[in-house]
Amino acid sequence: EAQVTQNPRYLITVTGKKLTVTCSQNMNHEYMSWYRQDPGLGLRQIYYSMNVEVTDKGDVPEGYKVSRKEKRNFPLILESPSPNQTSLYFCASARDRNTEAFFGQGTRLTVV
Amino acid sequence: TQLLEQSPQFLSIQEGENLTVYCNSSSVFSSLQWYRQEPGEGPVLLVTVVTGGEVKKLKRLTFQFGDARKDSSLHITAAQPGDTGLYLCAGAYVYKAGGTSYGKLTFGQGTILTVHP
Repeated sequence: EAQVTQNPRYLITVTGKKLTVTCSQNMNHEYMSWYRQDPGLGLRQIYYSMNVEVTDKGDVPEGYKVSRKEKRNFPLILESPSPNQTSLYFCASARDRNTEAFFGQGTRLTVV
Repeated sequence: TQLLEQSPQFLSIQEGENLTVYCNSSSVFSSLQWYRQEPGEGPVLLVTVVTGGEVKKLKRLTFQFGDARKDSSLHITAAQPGDTGLYLCAGAYVYKAGGTSYGKLTFGQGTILTVHP
């Protein structure tokens, strides 16, 4: 089954404790991206990747890092999480920038 | 930064009514996508429009891409309670830097639609 898998689905952590949210897709898609979703603000792009080793900042990259060492995986790293990073995070993949984006189930992160 | 203004943010209507959701920007997009999101799930694509002036129909849903590829609309005819959900528009923007082609997908704020029986 074609899918985008995020882990974990739920995470509560403390300020400053490094964490990684994993994202994996099995569709051989070149384009992957991370979004955060907050009430009234819609989905805002954090980082995206056009292909392996090619990444670029989205609209809200501050406080986040990503890596794309292999096509199927695109982890999101929070080196020092802060409470304002409490949000619902989605990973997505697409064949290219113009085609359908397939989204993961989401990761609800709470930073206390 | 490419901005997409989506309106209205909230829409509460009775079953059988028609409605239109708008997505506007000052930027030109290579394509415009519409998604629907259910609670606890990720967005799911409804349609992609690529050509300026393009109109696509999906049962009772009609999607239109503006001639200048800066705006789009979603029209639902005879809304049903099953149409309730969050509707999102997203514009794909392409640019080149250092010989590499990049693409961003920018989302509107979303429209929460509630259709009452």
